[in-house]
Amino acid sequence: AQKVTQAQTEISVVEKEDVTLDCVYETRDTTYYLFWYKQPPSGELVFLIRRNSFDEQNEISGRYSWNFQKSTSSFNFTITASQVVDSAVYFCALRGILYSTLTFGKGTMLLVSP
Amino acid sequence: DAGVIQSPRHEVTEMGQEVTLRCKPISGHDYLFWYRQTMMRGLELLIYFNNNVPIDDSGMPEDRFSAKMPNASFSTLKIQPSEPRDSAVYFCASSLGRDRGRTNEKLFFGSGTQLSVL
Repeated sequence: AQKVTQAQTEISVVEKEDVTLDCVYETRDTTYYLFWYKQPPSGELVFLIRRNSFDEQNEISGRYSWNFQKSTSSFNFTITASQVVDSAVYFCALRGILYSTLTFGKGTMLLVSP
Repeated sequence: DAGVIQSPRHEVTEMGQEVTLRCKPISGHDYLFWYRQTMMRGLELLIYFNNNVPIDDSGMPEDRFSAKMPNASFSTLKIQPSEPRDSAVYFCASSLGRDRGRTNEKLFFGSGTQLSVL
């Protein structure tokens, strides 16, 4: 079975603060893929990143960075110098090699205040 | 590219009525997914299709739910009869199963249908 846990239901920060969204996963597969999606107030989910289980190199894209730690089964997402436009619900997701579909966490609502 | 198009954007209906949600995937995508989002349960996969064929409908909650994909550019999710507990946001998503020889799970989501069953 696959499981994704996003323990933080809601986070509130003030603009320009750094914020980290936690994601812990469970899978029996030795090969798997991890994802982050963003759901802005408009509703549709937007793909942010996909990582393979055999690539633990951290990734940075502008103000976004992802920390993949296989030893702790975590795939955390950090936004540096947060902005109001970052306000959204963020979903972590997992697909094991034996599964054809994604398992999503319940999401973390991020509210960035000016 | 128009993206995944869902209609209607909002649907309010009375208990017992039939509800039909519609989805047009991105042209060329061979996978189509129906998800339901609620506060309590988060995002749940209901069913997905590959090349118009239903592959896994184990997430469909009850026989009241049915989904079809008559062609590559159209899918429907029907609830008959609807119940208040069906109230949720229903998302359709599509993806290209193979991208340059690699499985590509990058899902493109529609804007969702907000369903309220009174």
